[in-house]
Amino acid sequence: ETGVTQSPTHLIKTRGQQVTLRCSSQSGHNTVSWYQQALGQGPQFIFQYYREEENGRGNFPPRFSGLQFPNYSSELNVNALELDDSALYLCASSLGNSGRNTQYFGPGTRLTVL
Amino acid sequence: EDKVVQSPLSLVVHEGDTVTLNCSYEVTNFRSLLWYKQEKKAPTFLFMLTSSGIEKKSGRLSSILDKKELFSILNITATQTGDSAIYLCAVLYTNAGKSTFGDGTTLTVKP
Repeated sequence: ETGVTQSPTHLIKTRGQQVTLRCSSQSGHNTVSWYQQALGQGPQFIFQYYREEENGRGNFPPRFSGLQFPNYSSELNVNALELDDSALYLCASSLGNSGRNTQYFGPGTRLTVL
Repeated sequence: EDKVVQSPLSLVVHEGDTVTLNCSYEVTNFRSLLWYKQEKKAPTFLFMLTSSGIEKKSGRLSSILDKKELFSILNITATQTGDSAIYLCAVLYTNAGKSTFGDGTTLTVKP
């Protein structure tokens, strides 16, 4: 157990809908990163939040957006869902964003888009 | 474009065998390399490597980084069926809020 929690566990949506996924970071961690993991692939970096500000972004379109709250929990929002958005969405928390800090992952949210 | 490549893609061994998993990288602003084990959902942390040539060990697992040749290896000795998983490596960047993962090596350990 890493102390990182995510909700919901599973989610089924249809194309065009919007979804919000939630992540609570490990106690004391101020950085949250979000990843998309398609079947058979490694996690792909979506973005990172550090102290409530976006601190880096991968190659994902603007319909993927996020938020970090003062308690360092975070949300990932995806608008206009597409079939290819079906994946496991992982969040990871760490203390700091220097690249020296280990990221600890939550259990993930399995999103299915029909 | 930054790349992290793991090999082999999959591996089947029998209990008691020793395995070596490889991770090579081509990235700018490298800071550290991490190894994770992923069994069902959440990757679980194994090692963080920042310096060349310093072996990190945890029980039957060990790992080392070569920053000159840009690769890392993960060794597992005396494998057990519980070692069956996907092993992921990832690169973290200096002062940059991103990371790049490889696609993993799927290890299957047969009794």
